[in-house]
Amino acid sequence: AQSVAQPEDQVNVAEGNPLTVKCTYSVSGNPYLFWYVQYPNRGLQFLLKYITGDNLVKGSYGFEAEFNKSQTSFHLKKPSALVSDSALYFCAVRDRITGGGNKLTFGTGTQLKVEL
Amino acid sequence: DSGVTQTPKHLITATGQRVTLRCSPRSGDLSVYWYQQSLDQGLQFLIQYYNGEERAKGNILERFSAQQFPDLHSELNLSSLELGDSALYFCASSVDGTPGSSPLHFGNGTRLTVT
Repeated sequence: AQSVAQPEDQVNVAEGNPLTVKCTYSVSGNPYLFWYVQYPNRGLQFLLKYITGDNLVKGSYGFEAEFNKSQTSFHLKKPSALVSDSALYFCAVRDRITGGGNKLTFGTGTQLKVEL
Repeated sequence: DSGVTQTPKHLITATGQRVTLRCSPRSGDLSVYWYQQSLDQGLQFLIQYYNGEERAKGNILERFSAQQFPDLHSELNLSSLELGDSALYFCASSVDGTPGSSPLHFGNGTRLTVT
């Protein structure tokens, strides 16, 4: 089964500083990787995805992610953090289900806190 | 606003009872996905329907069932409820049948509390 790991439960960063939220993956074959964000009392929102192509993927709200095959990583980045970026971030991978079909398997989430 | 509507927002019920959660997908989306979010298990995929047919099945208990109707809305039925079923249940929708080919759009969830 494909999986992703988010090694940090929480990341703190000062507003204006660059931010990185880490994700590593374990897949067989080519990975289909995603980032979603969850604000309090809301559902998840899609940020970006990597299927093939450029290793640097640009997404919503100024976020980008770098796919690194040798390090099996797909870290989420933003050059300048905003207080409004504070939320729970999920990395996900498309996984095949035994018996048929596919699903998105989500990581455990990383709480990002951006402080003034 | 994702365009996905889930009702009710909150549900409090007793052990052994049965509840139905409802989801209206975003206009034009044919797939509906159900996820369970809890503190100890994280986000768990339950089941997917595509244009009325079951497409993929995840960690869905036998006490749980779902269906997607001709108008594409979906219902998740949870029966013989246990304390451990307390969680946030999300519905998501997408245009096509393969998750990730197009973004999943999530509703705001139904918070189920079993007492």
